[in-house]
Amino acid sequence: DTEVTQTPKHLVMGMTNKKSLKCEQHMGHRAMYWYKQKAKKPPELMFVYSYEKLSINESVPSRFSPECPNSSLLNLHLHALQPEDSALYLCASSQEGGTGGTYEQYFGPGTRLTVT
Amino acid sequence: EDKVVQSPLSLVVHEGDTVTLNCSYEVTNFRSLLWYKQEKKAPTFLFMLTSSGIEKKSGRLSSILDKKELFSILNITATQTGDSAIYLCAVEAGNSGYALNFGKGTSLLVTP
Repeated sequence: DTEVTQTPKHLVMGMTNKKSLKCEQHMGHRAMYWYKQKAKKPPELMFVYSYEKLSINESVPSRFSPECPNSSLLNLHLHALQPEDSALYLCASSQEGGTGGTYEQYFGPGTRLTVT
Repeated sequence: EDKVVQSPLSLVVHEGDTVTLNCSYEVTNFRSLLWYKQEKKAPTFLFMLTSSGIEKKSGRLSSILDKKELFSILNITATQTGDSAIYLCAVEAGNSGYALNFGKGTSLLVTP
């Protein structure tokens, strides 16, 4: 089973709202990722968690706040977003990352976010 | 700065044709090259290549990496309309081993 699940599938929020995106995997993967994908563009890495610790933050604005409550779950908390933050937010996981080896990343179906 | 360049950016072929998609890269501390297929939603994993000259094959799809010339190709034989998608090439590089640098993708349309 190579399934990564994400909820919700679609989200519309105002610029003053607070919302959260959720991601879950039960493959025993120890690395989890958030990507942002704008229309007709490739995914851009936002955050990486390895063994439940934040290891990479690609200079993402603080209105995006990741959280990894346990090895199977990854959240992305959203607050005071801008309309230009509207995009497809993809979660991915891999067996592990870092210098220990190289493993393929499996992607979830994404959350289509619209900020009004 | 790491670069991943895919060509062509778009392609229209007839069912039954064979297509070759290209991916060239310039990165620091190459670790692996991955191919993904993206239809409406999430990219789905196709291949990961780490060694030069070894072909990976899955059904009508195959891919090979040339680490000397810094490129990879993805071949699709006997194309079907279900192969219509964006094909993304991504390179994992750097000492951290985490970052996937994606190319812009090749948009493939297979017509009946």
